[in-house]
Amino acid sequence: DAGVTQSPTHLIKTRGQQVTLRCSPISGHKSVSWYQQVLGQGPQFIFQYYEKEERGRGNFPDRFSARQFPNYSSELNVNALLLGDSALYLCASSERGQGYGYTFGSGTRLTVV
Amino acid sequence: GENVEQHPSTLSVQEGDSAVIKCTYSDSASNYFPWYKQELGKGPQLIIDIRSNVGEKKDQRIAVTLNKTAKHFSLHITETQPEDSAVYFCAASIKDTGFQKLVFGTGTRLLVSP
Repeated sequence: DAGVTQSPTHLIKTRGQQVTLRCSPISGHKSVSWYQQVLGQGPQFIFQYYEKEERGRGNFPDRFSARQFPNYSSELNVNALLLGDSALYLCASSERGQGYGYTFGSGTRLTVV
Repeated sequence: GENVEQHPSTLSVQEGDSAVIKCTYSDSASNYFPWYKQELGKGPQLIIDIRSNVGEKKDQRIAVTLNKTAKHFSLHITETQPEDSAVYFCAASIKDTGFQKLVFGTGTRLLVSP
């Protein structure tokens, strides 16, 4: 059974550009959460989606947006990239986003230059 | 508040020794506490978790203890092996407006020397 898959694995963008990151959850999981992990720190919560609806949002600017599709896959979009957006972006899937049972993907390493 | 503190930030042990990592949390309503292991270039992998109605849980060489009164929980690894070397994160499930999320500690880099 496939785990959580994220694409791309690595990405280099220039300041001011826009980026879209993708996540496919484990089959049967209906919730996706996005986390940002800056080098040397723990993951920080960005968004949680369940059944295509946004359930919650962390303390991130409006440049960050996301959506979930009918097949429960998800996209994270970041506009007007800043150098400080350089990080590992992690996607976690769970059955219902109930705060436990999270499985993380390997992440997308975003470098903004 | 939603804060999880983790200590130490780095931990070096000899193979065969025990390692202990400690975390404290601020939200008394938290009821689920997972521990993740993250190896270089990979996402966090769940290694053990504990719920608030349990004081201790063990899985082979790994154990977690929880003190709800003091709001702290600890990871214990016995008979450490070089392959245990990684960054370990504690987390607490925090109830936000209409949903629950995981809040992570800052991580502990464990180095096990042969």
